Amino acid sequence: SQTIHQWPATLVQPVGSPLSLECTVEGTSNPNLYWYRQAAGRGLQLLFYSVGIGQISSEVPQNLSASRPQDRQFILSSKKLLLSDSGFYLCAWTSGRNEQFFGPGTRLTVL
Amino acid sequence: AQSVTQLGSHVSVSEGALVLLRCNYSSSVPPYLFWYVQYPNQGLQLLLKYTSAATLVKGINDFEAEFKKSETSFHLTKPSAHMSDAAEYFCAVSEDNYGQNFVFGPGTRLSVLP
Repeated sequence: SQTIHQWPATLVQPVGSPLSLECTVEGTSNPNLYWYRQAAGRGLQLLFYSVGIGQISSEVPQNLSASRPQDRQFILSSKKLLLSDSGFYLCAWTSGRNEQFFGPGTRLTVL
Repeated sequence: AQSVTQLGSHVSVSEGALVLLRCNYSSSVPPYLFWYVQYPNQGLQLLLKYTSAATLVKGINDFEAEFKKSETSFHLTKPSAHMSDAAEYFCAVSEDNYGQNFVFGPGTRLSVLP
């Protein structure tokens, strides 16, 4: 069966520090991968999606970037975090079926 | 482009009472519709989905939703609320059959009172 992992589960970082969040999917190949952000009390905002290795589409301009170095690995990064980057980051995947499967999320607090 | 609205950012019901969470959508093509549930500090879990088959869709934990094209609605119901149903619920719409291009509503937080 397919599973999706995210780490770390929680992260507290100072403003201006770098960021790297990782998402990996098991049990499937060639998935589409997504990064969402959920700010406190708000819905999901799609940040990036990827249909294959090295293929990244950005939905909103921001302080973040994404990379897909391997088929089942999706990384969210920042060179310098802002206070506004705080939130709950969710990775999701789909593989031709009409639903998205979500990871457990990473809670990021920028101080 | 598709969009989703959820009426009521916060809904409170008593334990054992009917749960009704509202979702209206906008789509230029026949939509695929979804309800997800999110418990605190967890990811989203699919409750049910509508994919142009039966208009009344049954999901997990006795939840169900009815697709009404004339009302562009996909409201979520449960006959009897349990304390464990307290969570955030998201409605989503997609215009393709491949799981891409999801648009999520802002969510409704459900509280269940003893």
